[in-house]
Order: sequence, then structure tokens, then C-alpha cells
Amino acid sequence: AQKITQTQPGMFVQEKEAVTLDCTYDTSDQSYGLFWYKQPSSGEMIFLIYQGSYDEQNATEGRYSLNFQKARKSANLVISASQLGDSAMYFCAMREGVYNFNKFYFGSGTKLNVKP
Amino acid sequence: NAGVTQTPKFQVLKTGQSMTLQCAQDMNHEYMSWYRQDPGMGLRLIHYSVGAGITDQGEVPNGYNVSRSTTEDFPLRLLSAAPSQTSVYFCASSRTTQADTQYFGPGTRLTVL
Repeated sequence: AQKITQTQPGMFVQEKEAVTLDCTYDTSDQSYGLFWYKQPSSGEMIFLIYQGSYDEQNATEGRYSLNFQKARKSANLVISASQLGDSAMYFCAMREGVYNFNKFYFGSGTKLNVKP
Repeated sequence: NAGVTQTPKFQVLKTGQSMTLQCAQDMNHEYMSWYRQDPGMGLRLIHYSVGAGITDQGEVPNGYNVSRSTTEDFPLRLLSAAPSQTSVYFCASSRTTQADTQYFGPGTRLTVL
């Protein structure tokens, strides 16, 4: 079974609008971390936001927020007030495992296009 | 502070050739990892290391070898390249706890003919 599922291969959003990128995950661990990364066309991977499995509040970082619904195993990324520079691939990832021997699992990504 | 560096940036190999992708970090991170990125499949973990002398397999380890003799370096070896190994390879490093993000290198684009 897929550890991380991103069901939206591509999305369009109008500049200044908000957009939600979906992510569901599969784990039987109680402790895990959830991450979102941005990959612009230049190819580098940029960390956006982190949510721990025990965190009760949704994480926020500037225009990024993570809508964490633990019972549904979902960790959707919300980008408010989209900008043209937000056009990129977005990857959801989970870090799980015992002590130091933890592994990252990535979804297949969502390509976001912001229209002027 | 260079972060995570990878060499080379681009490489073309013939089937059956061997090569080593280099990765180094200067953040004193114990955890280092290698991924391959293929279209439509996101990043898949090849191998990872939690310290010098300690490595473990990821999701797609076949055809790749790693070793870690120092904290700074984590090379990835392709013993006998195959066209199926054509991909973009990323090295990353982080601290070892689940709350820590990874820092990625710029990637190596490998083509195997």
C-alpha cells in the first residue's frame, strides 16, 4: 500500500486565491512527522512546513498552513493568497520509524499552476 | 556553509558501466539519504545512513551500494548501470529525530544508454 497518496496530479488556481493540496498517509505508528516540500522548475527541494503526529494545533508558516486531520489520516496543505511564484511541484512526505532508523516516504506530487 | 553538495550535476553512462555519485554535507548531520526521482513517482528512498558505519536499505535499493566512513560523506555507487536507473538522484541530510526536515542537494541527472 502507498504510504503517501496525493490524488491531484495538477491544479490551477487564480492569483490571490487560496488553494488546498490534498495528502493522505498510511501508517500504524503512533509517532510520525508530516512534511511538505516545494520543487520549482529549477529542481531544488524546499521545505515548507512540518506537523508532528502529537501536535494538537495545525501548523502554520506564513502563507502556508497544514490542515491535519489525524483520524482521517490527512495532512492537506493550504496556501493562502497564491502568488505566481507558487507555481511548482508540491510533495507531501512522512517520516516514520523507530528511534534513529526512521525513513521518509514521499507522495507522487501535485503540480500547481498559478494563473495571473 | 555549503549545505549539501552533490557531484556531478549531469552524467551519461553506457549500460554496464559503474560510477559513484558523491554527496557531502557540512552541517554535522548524522542522517543522510539517497533518493531517486522519476516522473509521476515522487522521490523514492534508495539507502540511508544514521551515522558513520551504519547504513540501511530504503524502498528501491537494488543495483545501488552505499557506505559511510565519515559523518560528512555518503557516496552512492552504481555497480553495473542499467537504463532503468536513468533518473534524477537527490542526496539529503538531517538530524535523526522525526521532527527534523531534510536538507537536499541540487540533484544529479543520470542518463544510462
